[in-house]
Amino acid sequence: GAVVSQHPSRVICKSGTSVKIECRSLDFQATTMFWYRQFPKQSLMLMATSNEGSKATYEQGVEKDKFLINHASLTLSTLTVTSAHPEDSSFYICSARRPGLAYEQYFGPGTRLTVT
Amino acid sequence: GQQLNQSPQSMFIQEGEDVSMNCTSSSIFNTWLWYKQDPGEGPVLLIALYKAGELTSNGRLTAQFGITRKDSFLNISASIPSDVGIYFCAGPSGSSNYKLTFGKGTLLTVNP
Repeated sequence: GAVVSQHPSRVICKSGTSVKIECRSLDFQATTMFWYRQFPKQSLMLMATSNEGSKATYEQGVEKDKFLINHASLTLSTLTVTSAHPEDSSFYICSARRPGLAYEQYFGPGTRLTVT
Repeated sequence: GQQLNQSPQSMFIQEGEDVSMNCTSSSIFNTWLWYKQDPGEGPVLLIALYKAGELTSNGRLTAQFGITRKDSFLNISASIPSDVGIYFCAGPSGSSNYKLTFGKGTLLTVNP
């Protein structure tokens, strides 16, 4: 299989605080992981590509200082939402690309972030 | 970037009916992926297609890679209530790093 986990599944934080979300590939090594954001009833919006051992690549319009990504190992990528504001409330989903399977991405279960 | 048009936006069907949805791209693709997303969950990969004309099945699901390489179809036969969810097509975004671009999704509702 290709199992990807995310933690936490839900988090509520106060405005101005930072929140870290972890994404782990459980049964394969992922040199590339992706972070998406999804608003209600909308499609997935790619935020950034996380490369193991190098800096993440951010999509246009995504603030890299606000959404810090670290991919320190072949099985773990983290997304930290810094100084969160209510407009950062969303569903954040990570995915991992399985080496050798070209474009196939396997998604985590998502993290529901609510900023009060 | 690549544009994907997915249709229909939503479907309401009776249990037991067959379903068909499709996706078209503005440019030629070498890969088509179909995902299903349940409410509050991450998308799950259903079928991956890599060759024009390819027809691949996964249980009651069948997907085809269009001959023109600009479209793909997903069919669900004999639908059941647990087929409810949002179905997304996806293909290469045209950039490096194997990024994907997603369609806007087809919301499927199955009435028991």
